[in-house]
Amino acid sequence: AQSVTQLDSQVPVFEEAPVELRCNYSSSVSVYLFWYVQYPNQGLQLLLKYLSGSTLVKGINGFEAEFNKSQTSFHLRKPSVHISDTAEYFCAVRPQNTGKLIFGQGTTLQVKP
Amino acid sequence: DGGITQSPKYLFRKEGQNVTLSCEQNLNHDAMYWYRQDPGQGLRLIYYSQIVNDFQKGDIAEGYSVSREKKESFPLTVTSAQKNPTAFYLCASSISGKGTEAFFGQGTRLTVV
Repeated sequence: AQSVTQLDSQVPVFEEAPVELRCNYSSSVSVYLFWYVQYPNQGLQLLLKYLSGSTLVKGINGFEAEFNKSQTSFHLRKPSVHISDTAEYFCAVRPQNTGKLIFGQGTTLQVKP
Repeated sequence: DGGITQSPKYLFRKEGQNVTLSCEQNLNHDAMYWYRQDPGQGLRLIYYSQIVNDFQKGDIAEGYSVSREKKESFPLTVTSAQKNPTAFYLCASSISGKGTEAFFGQGTRLTVV
C-alpha cells in the first residue's frame, strides 16, 4: 500500500521569508508526485508535478519542489513568500501501476506580515 | 468553459436520509474521483472510476455508493449507513494515463443534522 506523510500540519512564516513544506511517501512501486494548493472553501489547484527527468521541478507562483528517490521525499519550497500564499498545501502520489491518487494530510501555510 | 461542476455548494440533510451529490465534467476525461475532506485528515479517497460502467472502492467506501453511466457524470450517494457524513466532498477528474494530474471541482459541504 502507498501512503503520504506531510511532516508539518502548520507552518507559520513571515512575509518575504523562505519556506519549505515537507512531504515523504511510501510505495513499493514507482510513483508520480504532485503538490496542490487549496484556498478556503474551494477545490484544489495544481502547483507542480514530477513525472520523470530532472529532480527539480518548477511550478506556478514561484514554487519549486525537489524529488529525492533515496529519501522518498518531495519537499516544496519558495524563496520568498507573500501574504497571498496563505493556504493549505497537499502533497499527492499516483502509483504508476494504478489510477489511484493518494493525498497527504495537508500543511497549512500561514504567512504573517 | 471546460471544467468540473459540483452541485450544490452547500447541502443540509436530516440524519437517516440518503443524499446524492452531483459531479459533472466537460473535459472529456476518462477517470473521475470522489474524496472526503475533514480537518487535519487531508483528502481520503471514497471511490474512483477509470472508465464508464466501472468503478473501484477507495479507502473509505463504506456508507457510500456511486454510478458511472455516462463519461461526464459521477454522482455520489451518501447513505444512511455512513456514520459521520458531515464533511466537505470533492470531485475530481483526469485523463487516464501516466502522470496526469487531477482537476478538481469547487466542492460540496454536506451537513447532516
